[in-house]
Amino acid sequence: EDQVTQSPEALRLQEGESSSLNCSYTVSGLRGLFWYRQDPGKGPEFLFTLYSAGEEKEKERLKATLTKKESFLHITAPKPEDSATYLCAAPNQAGTALIFGKGTTLSVSS
Amino acid sequence: NAGVMQNPRHLVRRRGQEARLRCSPMKGHSHVYWYRQLPEEGLKFMVYLQKENIIDESGMPKERFSAEFPKEGPSILRIQQVVRGDSAAYFCASSGAATRNEQFFGPGTRLTVL
Repeated sequence: EDQVTQSPEALRLQEGESSSLNCSYTVSGLRGLFWYRQDPGKGPEFLFTLYSAGEEKEKERLKATLTKKESFLHITAPKPEDSATYLCAAPNQAGTALIFGKGTTLSVSS
Repeated sequence: NAGVMQNPRHLVRRRGQEARLRCSPMKGHSHVYWYRQLPEEGLKFMVYLQKENIIDESGMPKERFSAEFPKEGPSILRIQQVVRGDSAAYFCASSGAATRNEQFFGPGTRLTVL
């Protein structure tokens, strides 16, 4: 069964304390791995798409990487405004829907 | 702003009433997806539509729920005879044909059933 699993469920960091979020997937014939950011009461905001193992993408303090079985979202020197829920998703085998993990809720305190 | 638009943002219905949720995709996008988000369950796919066609409705409950994306106008998710368990945030996403899997989300409609 296609599945996306994220860990940890919640992460508390001090401002400037770097860390990584994990996303593991079991989807045959992966057609991309997607990262979104969701703030409370808002819709998911698209961050990155990764298509092949070894690929990396960066945006400000965020860097996403992909291996054959998992993806990492690295957060370097986070700021309080990085606090949000980060969602990982992969297309189902038919390519008709995204399968989402339950997310990692990140809290960054100053 | 040519982003995905959803309305209403908040909708309150009493048990047994009908709920209609609307979604206008991003400009140039012809693929629309509906997802439901429950507090402890994350985002779950419901239905995927193109203009005048339902492509995949495998995530839709068999009864009371329907969706359409007419030739003109927004996509509509319709819930008949709502029950308390329908209370959730409903999100619409859209994608362009060339990047079908890269989906952009609207702000959502929060449905509360009293």
